[in-house]
Amino acid sequence: DAGVTQSPTHLIKTRGQQVTLRCSPKSGHDTVSWYQQALGQGPQFIFQYYEEEERQRGNFPDRFSGHQFPNYSSELNVNALLLGDSALYLCASSLRDSRSEKLFFGSGTQLSVL
Amino acid sequence: QKEVEQDPGPLSVPEGAIVSLNCTYSNSAFQYFMWYRQYSRKGPELLMYTYSSGNKEDGRFTAQVDKSSKYISLFIRDSQPSDSATYLCAMTSNTGKLIFGQGTTLQVKP
Repeated sequence: DAGVTQSPTHLIKTRGQQVTLRCSPKSGHDTVSWYQQALGQGPQFIFQYYEEEERQRGNFPDRFSGHQFPNYSSELNVNALLLGDSALYLCASSLRDSRSEKLFFGSGTQLSVL
Repeated sequence: QKEVEQDPGPLSVPEGAIVSLNCTYSNSAFQYFMWYRQYSRKGPELLMYTYSSGNKEDGRFTAQVDKSSKYISLFIRDSQPSDSATYLCAMTSNTGKLIFGQGTTLQVKP
């Protein structure tokens, strides 16, 4: 049973560039959430996708956008990168109807903005 | 004030010690409480899950939730060097959005 998979594992970009991160949820899960984790901090909620729509959004600017595909996989896009966007980006999946609120995380994409 | 407060540590204990990790929170609407373990910049791994108040035990790990005090704890018995990691508390009010603590770094010395 494959868990949550994310790609790429590491990425280096320069300020002003755009980046796309990808996530495949755990088998049987239909909801994908994205979190940003700065060094030494806990993860912060970016947004959640269910049925190919953004259902909730955290306190992140419009430069952060996403998409969910019919197979439940998801992408996170960040435009006009800033130095402060350097972080570990985590994808988490869950089953909406389970009502358990259990999230399972991938290993993350380490983004460095120079 | 942050919604969830967690002492970042670091916490260093000898092998075999009992470890106590704690979080306090301010939002009385939180109903689901979790502890995640995170190894050196890997993704968080769900360790313990509790709905509402009470205790839950799983092997060497015990999670406690006291909603009246807005306080949750994780106890690790007979700690092992392999338990060395960052422990994150997380909670939610059935919104699907988890609020995390800062994480406590634990080192268990052989």
